[in-house]
Amino acid sequence: EVQLLESGGGLVQPGGSLRLSCAVSGFTFNSCAMTWVRQAPGKGLQWVSGISASGGSTYYADSVKGRFTVSRDNSKNTLYLQMNSLRGEDTAVYYCAQSQGGQPIVDPFDYWGQGTLVTVSS
Amino acid sequence: SYELTQPPSVSVSPGQTASITCSGDKLGNNFGCWYQQKPGQSPVLVIYQGTKRPSGIPERFSGSNSGNTATLTISGTQPMDEADYYCQAWDSSTVVFGGGTKLTVL
Repeated sequence: EVQLLESGGGLVQPGGSLRLSCAVSGFTFNSCAMTWVRQAPGKGLQWVSGISASGGSTYYADSVKGRFTVSRDNSKNTLYLQMNSLRGEDTAVYYCAQSQGGQPIVDPFDYWGQGTLVTVSS
Repeated sequence: SYELTQPPSVSVSPGQTASITCSGDKLGNNFGCWYQQKPGQSPVLVIYQGTKRPSGIPERFSGSNSGNTATLTISGTQPMDEADYYCQAWDSSTVVFGGGTKLTVL
């Protein structure tokens, strides 16, 4: 059974940092592209970042470029999102999603985690 | 920036056919996906590559493309299909979601 479990969310002040993790099981992690998608309260889905199966290619939405960094540890079956210089508009539930293909932009998001809430507020 | 446009809401009676559209300049060049999200739950992929259904998705869900418009069709809509639906596509190095459509079954 495919499982994705996000953690690391919480309350952080504007300008602060947070690191999200996504621990996965039930599939061959090192052959799948991975993605972060967020959803602000009561709003729609917004793509945040993607990373190739090897970790060699990364992609970011303009709204987070230069502030967020996606990475993965294939030996630990874990995906990360380092978020710096956080702003109020970054408040959202952050989902990790798996693409069975290796291309983080082109391939669909086959499985999603349950999400972790990040609240940026003073 | 690339945008995908969906109607905010669609209503359908149980047993009838629901159609949700998604329009975007480059939809004709790549195959979109559709996700279903029920309240308090994570999104679920229901259509990929424009017309394909993942394993476990009921046959009443289908997708089609015509020009720059993708359509999700739910035949014989059931009350359990009430949810938000999002189309998704990509352009160069960016992934884009539509604004979402709330499907009401009443």
